Amino acid sequence: GENVEQHPSTLSVQEGDSAVIKCTYSDSASNYFPWYKQELGKRPQLIIDIRSNVGEKKDQRIAVTLNKTAKHFSLHITETQPEDSAVYFCAASNNQAGTALIFGKGTTLSVSS
Amino acid sequence: EPEVTQTPSHQVTQMGQEVILRCVPISNHLYFYWYRQILGQKVEFLVSFYNNEISEKSEIFDDQFSVERPDGSNFTLKIRSTKLEDSAMYFCASSVLLRDTQYFGPGTRLTVL
Repeated sequence: GENVEQHPSTLSVQEGDSAVIKCTYSDSASNYFPWYKQELGKRPQLIIDIRSNVGEKKDQRIAVTLNKTAKHFSLHITETQPEDSAVYFCAASNNQAGTALIFGKGTTLSVSS
Repeated sequence: EPEVTQTPSHQVTQMGQEVILRCVPISNHLYFYWYRQILGQKVEFLVSFYNNEISEKSEIFDDQFSVERPDGSNFTLKIRSTKLEDSAMYFCASSVLLRDTQYFGPGTRLTVL
């Protein structure tokens, strides 16, 4: 089955810096890659997603890139703010074969001002 | 904006007891999911449900677990005989269609003593 590895497990940046979180997946058939943000004690919330037919997607300060050949995808946050502090989870899914999102272990991002 | 809701927010039970966790998916969504997150670990897929049937289930979802849509709005997860290792946050999620974004509820924290 699918396995998703996520790095780093913790990331500390200064306000205004960029943050990059990387994930690799094992199943070459996976075709949907969402990123969720989870603040302490709250639900995971989708912040951006990408499908396998595109290589990059951007939404204001957040971007995701996908390299299908290498089977990895990354989250890029620019101009970080303290409110970006949270746990970020990547996930992968093969929508053609199933419904499950397979999550990475999460990255705790701390943005200090 | 419509949200997935879950009750109760926290459930404490004795080992061996049955628990039922309740979810109200977003009203026009057709796919429903349960995930769990053991404290400090990744979110893990349990089961997906569509058209009153299980679509997919993980190895975690053994005979102790069952799901049901008892009426037009609720979606429940039953654990027949709880074990200590069932202690976790249980998230319900829903999506409009198979390949759409999954929206998560706020979770139910289950504590098995």
